[in-house]
Amino acid sequence: NAGVTQTPKFQVLKTGQSMTLQCAQDMNHNSMYWYRQDPGMGLRLIYYSASEGTTDKGEVPNGYNVSRLNKREFSLRLESAAPSQTSVYFCASERKKYQETQYFGPGTRLLVL
Amino acid sequence: AQSVTQPDIHITVSEGASLELRCNYSYGATPYLFWYVQSPGQGLQLLLKYFSGDTLVQGIKGFEAEFKRSQSSFNLRKPSVHWSDAAEYFCAVGPTDSWGKLQFGAGTQVVVTP
Repeated sequence: NAGVTQTPKFQVLKTGQSMTLQCAQDMNHNSMYWYRQDPGMGLRLIYYSASEGTTDKGEVPNGYNVSRLNKREFSLRLESAAPSQTSVYFCASERKKYQETQYFGPGTRLLVL
Repeated sequence: AQSVTQPDIHITVSEGASLELRCNYSYGATPYLFWYVQSPGQGLQLLLKYFSGDTLVQGIKGFEAEFKRSQSSFNLRKPSVHWSDAAEYFCAVGPTDSWGKLQFGAGTQVVVTP
């Protein structure tokens, strides 16, 4: 049982390049989330998926898109990366529809030059 | 507007001393409350959570937190810190009445000295 896994662990992009961050969970959780973490700002929610087939915007969705591929996988795409998207990205999952406990992946460090 | 405030950006504590981390929130109603810990280079791990009931909550690694409705606070405490407690600690809140999203504080960095 690996929990929440994220790939890649680290990525460097040039401005304008695109990439997809992958997240998978093996806990049969319904809800999944993408956060970004910036110094002094805690974690901010980018997008979330309450259940398979649904996605919604969080606090800072601009410049990102997501896909809930199936119950296990929730990907985050940067279509045209910008330096402001340099951050650490965390994926999380949660068992039930209502607030319970979110389990976090190890994070992806993204540097946009 | 909803907000979570962790007033202390950085705390230094001696090994064996007690630790208290502050968290204040502004919310429409009593939310669900959480404390997470992040070790260097790692994801977040849940320490404890408060949903309802006893306002003193016990968590993992010897941590506890007390919910005080009148002060809109949820402070985290540990009686005797260990060097392995050096990490960043995040307070988070979430709504109780529907599915929703966690809102995190900015975090408190804890340094443990010998």
